[in-house]
Amino acid sequence: DAKTTQPTSMDCAEGRAANLPCNHSTISGNEYVYWYRQIHSQGPQYIIHGLKNNETNEMASLIITEDRKSSTLILPHATLRDTAVYYCIAGDYKLSFGAGTTVTVRA
Amino acid sequence: NAGVTQTPKFRVLKTGQSMTLLCAQDMNHEYMYWYRQDPGMGLRLIHYSVGEGTTAKGEVPDGYNVSRLKKQNFLLGLESAAPSQTSVYFCASSWDKISYEQYFGPGTRLTVT
Repeated sequence: DAKTTQPTSMDCAEGRAANLPCNHSTISGNEYVYWYRQIHSQGPQYIIHGLKNNETNEMASLIITEDRKSSTLILPHATLRDTAVYYCIAGDYKLSFGAGTTVTVRA
Repeated sequence: NAGVTQTPKFRVLKTGQSMTLLCAQDMNHEYMYWYRQDPGMGLRLIHYSVGEGTTAKGEVPDGYNVSRLKKQNFLLGLESAAPSQTSVYFCASSWDKISYEQYFGPGTRLTVT
């Protein structure tokens, strides 16, 4: 799996968009970018994944740069329930989680 | 539809004791995984299975064994528990290896004294 680099933490105002960056400069051509989040001590929850194209689902949008060396997860309207640790993973199905970004949504 | 369930939720072992953690999924998924999460860290893959009767080593397999005799169940065994195995253990399952998300269970908190 490619190594990923994420900010340790970030704050976001409720109702505003949250933009979470991730660097994965060593990603190979057949490796996907996955985003998961973990709320408190629960099991991680899948958010979104992509290979080359930008992706959107009911939870978030994933923007992948053309060279695929970085990506951004966008939570369009953050709520207090989005407070969690967000993990960016670049690789295959054998997921390798780093430390992630602790996102705190403030009222 | 219960999704992924794990048994037990909590367990305390003494060094040298053995135990088996059970993971069950009712989604007919082919792939199943065992991860461990140490305090303040991300999850690390212990073992995984790509189908009934198959198992493979992940990132941190030492000290653990697994079995997948039935498609819906994935067992993680500790033959001789050590304090370094104190962790939260998560099981997950998925349809396929690339295109599908992994569904995680609620975790088992294991303490080895």
